[in-house]
Amino acid sequence: GDSVTQMEGPVTLSEEAFLTINCTYTATGYPSLFWYVQYPGEGLQLLLKATKADDKGSNKGFEATYRKETTSFHLEKGSVQVSDSAVYFCALTGGGNKLTFGTGTQLKVEL
Amino acid sequence: GAGVSQSPSNKVTEKGKDVELRCDPISGHTALYWYRQSLGQGLEFLIYFQGNSAPDKSGLPSDRFSAERTGGSVSTLTIQRTQQEDSAVYLCASSPSGQSGRHNEQFFGPGTRLTVL
Repeated sequence: GDSVTQMEGPVTLSEEAFLTINCTYTATGYPSLFWYVQYPGEGLQLLLKATKADDKGSNKGFEATYRKETTSFHLEKGSVQVSDSAVYFCALTGGGNKLTFGTGTQLKVEL
Repeated sequence: GAGVSQSPSNKVTEKGKDVELRCDPISGHTALYWYRQSLGQGLEFLIYFQGNSAPDKSGLPSDRFSAERTGGSVSTLTIQRTQQEDSAVYLCASSPSGQSGRHNEQFFGPGTRLTVL
């Protein structure tokens, strides 16, 4: 079945540091890939997505590129802010429309 | 506009009791999903409704769980004879699903936190 593996957290960074959160997947067919974010006390919201190989999703300074050859969708940001502290979930929709999520990575950004 | 709403926001119940959780999707969204988020299992799919099609119930963990969607809008998730392992946050999401539904963003509600004592 479909599965998503993402790096364990928590990740603690200083403000303006470079962020990478690794995500790899296993899926049948041609999945769409997503990053969702959950800020403290808030609900899940879409951060970015990519629907086919080599697509790059981007939003709020975050980027991720759909790499079919390595089955990866790593999340990156060049300079994190305290306000980016949240839990980040990598996810996919494979054969159906349901989302399969990774376990989530907690990010804490300190001054 | 209004997002996905869920009620109640918190529910505490005793083991063995039945509970009903409600979801109001975004108006016009044809697809509705239930997930649950628990410490041990992460985020898991439960059930999916798309228009008038038969729901995808493949994620329901046992026959104590059921859901319905009336009039293509509001949905109710029912858990019968609750157990302590049912304690989790139950999330509802909706999307304007079409032929390429799997590409579409799912909009999540704030969740219902269920605690089974």
